[in-house]
Amino acid sequence: GESVGLHLPTLSVQEGDNSIINCAYSNSASDYFIWYKQESGKGPQFIIDIRSNMDKRQGQRVTVLLNKTVKHLSLQIAATQPGDSAVYFCAENIATALIFGKGTTLSVSS
Amino acid sequence: DAGVIQSPRHEVTEMGQEVTLRCKPISGHDYLFWYRQTMMRGLELLIYFNNNVPIDDSGMPEDRFSAKMPNASFSTLKIQPSEPRDSAVYFCASRAFTGELFFGEGSRLTVL
Repeated sequence: GESVGLHLPTLSVQEGDNSIINCAYSNSASDYFIWYKQESGKGPQFIIDIRSNMDKRQGQRVTVLLNKTVKHLSLQIAATQPGDSAVYFCAENIATALIFGKGTTLSVSS
Repeated sequence: DAGVIQSPRHEVTEMGQEVTLRCKPISGHDYLFWYRQTMMRGLELLIYFNNNVPIDDSGMPEDRFSAKMPNASFSTLKIQPSEPRDSAVYFCASRAFTGELFFGEGSRLTVL
């Protein structure tokens, strides 16, 4: 069965707000985590990753936080834009394979 | 680089017919993955290869599903015979050394 899940299936925000998407994982042996964004009709696209020896990593407008104590991963998107509307997946690396959660749909309104 | 290339993008077929989905990974990537995506089950890992060798096929739902990778630049996922419950989007992805997966645009399969 799946070992990765997300807390909320949908998230609606206003343009300019900060968005936080959460993910819980259950495999304490996972050493690598990735966030993907999937737009309608397209394949998932890499956003940002983090290894288990880190607790925070920043990209352009995005930050990933990893809390290994409670097996929790979050994706923060600063100044959310309409183009950020998509489904967001977290994935964990288990024995060279990436296992995905079901996803959170982010809707950004102007 | 052209990215991961999948074909066909859309396939509509009747129950019982054979379906073959194709994938060309990114050159130089030594891992290739097949995923299936449905609303109910999300993204499920079906099978993956390393250097053309199948490593884990425990996600393949039934014997009706088979996958091959005859060389480093080509893989197929075959369903024979197809059933309506196989309707889904099938993604191929290849892996860089860094661990990041690059996905194709997917093949949307509808089995009537």
